[in-house]
Amino acid sequence: NAGVTQTPKFQVLKTGQSMTLQCAQDMNHNSMYWYRQDPGMGLRLIYYSASEGTTDKGEVPNGYNVSRLNKREFSLRLESAAPSQTSVYFCASTFTGTPSYEQYFGPGTRLTVT
Amino acid sequence: AQSVAQPEDQVNVAEGNPLTVKCTYSVSGNPYLFWYVQYPNRGLQFLLKYITGDNLVKGSYGFEAEFNKSQTSFHLKKPSALVSDSALYFCAVRSSSGYALNFGKGTSLLVTP
Repeated sequence: NAGVTQTPKFQVLKTGQSMTLQCAQDMNHNSMYWYRQDPGMGLRLIYYSASEGTTDKGEVPNGYNVSRLNKREFSLRLESAAPSQTSVYFCASTFTGTPSYEQYFGPGTRLTVT
Repeated sequence: AQSVAQPEDQVNVAEGNPLTVKCTYSVSGNPYLFWYVQYPNRGLQFLLKYITGDNLVKGSYGFEAEFNKSQTSFHLKKPSALVSDSALYFCAVRSSSGYALNFGKGTSLLVTP
């Protein structure tokens, strides 16, 4: 099992450019998440997908869009990147069929917007 | 809203000494609490969770956490720290929606030889 994989690992964008961060999981989890991590702020939820075909906004959704392509894949798109979106982005997944669900995280994408 | 707070940005411990990383919570209803660890340039790894039952929860790598309802705390502990325990530790609570986790800001643990 690869667990949760993310591509790319690193990316540098200019202000106004667009890009899509890819995430895939092979654990047959129903729920998937996108977080951003900034120094001193912990992890903040951007969007999540409770199940295939559904997506919902998290704490900081502005400037992002998501697509739950199928049960395995959940992508995050920045349509017009801004320096404030410089961050480390983590994808996570879990099975929410019971209360005791721990999330499994990918290795992260380090994004710099200049 | 369900939230957790980690009052210490950094904790320093000498190798071999016991360590405690603090977390307090604020929830409506029953709390579902988690601890995660993040090593440099890595994703978060699950350590342990409290859902119900015994107040002392044992997890990975020799860590344990004590759930205290009266003090609304869920402190992470280890009897004897290792240099390799140096990392960033996050406390988290299940969100009101039931689908997501709300994380604390993290505590950096430094274990010195």
